[in-house]
Amino acid sequence: AQSVTQLDSQVPVFEEAPVELRCNYSSSVSVYLFWYVQYPNQGLQLLLKYLSGSTLVKGINGFEAEFNKSQTSFHLRKPSVHISDTAEYFCAVSETDSWGKLQFGAGTQVVVTP
Amino acid sequence: DGGITQSPKYLFRKEGQNVTLSCEQNLNHDAMYWYRQDPGQGLRLIYYSQIVNDFQKGDIAEGYSVSREKKESFPLTVTSAQKNPTAFYLCASSIQRGGQETQYFGPGTRLLVL
Repeated sequence: AQSVTQLDSQVPVFEEAPVELRCNYSSSVSVYLFWYVQYPNQGLQLLLKYLSGSTLVKGINGFEAEFNKSQTSFHLRKPSVHISDTAEYFCAVSETDSWGKLQFGAGTQVVVTP
Repeated sequence: DGGITQSPKYLFRKEGQNVTLSCEQNLNHDAMYWYRQDPGQGLRLIYYSQIVNDFQKGDIAEGYSVSREKKESFPLTVTSAQKNPTAFYLCASSIQRGGQETQYFGPGTRLLVL
């Protein structure tokens, strides 16, 4: 079974600074990788996903992530954050031979201050 | 507008009471899911359904029940057997089963115990 570890539970960052959210996974088979964002008291919204091909994936709102198979990582980055990026971010994994079960990390709370 | 609706936004349960959370989608998606979210634990899968009249248990199905009589509807009942029901409940759907499929989430229902 797969598992997902988000290494930081909370990341404080100043407005216009860069941010990186770390995600590591373990699985015995190939995986698909996702990043979702959750604003307070709302559902989750897909930021980006890696299925195959280029290991650098660009998503919405200026976010990008890089898949590193050797390090089993899928870190999320944004070069310059806005106040509106304050939210919780979830990394999720599904195995390629599965019916579609998503395994979520515990989440990283990003707090952007002026 | 296409999307997923969940109702109510807040729900209060008395001891020994069953309550039902509604989830409706007009995306014409085949697969639907129910997740439970607790602080610091990410999302955990309760039940999922890939087609009408068929559903399977997820990781934490005890104390919950579901039905899938219509493609667009997937209600979740929290029974009195669920001893710790206080959580944020999220419904999701995807076009079909498969690890590569994006899951789209509703806005959630917060369940509180009186």
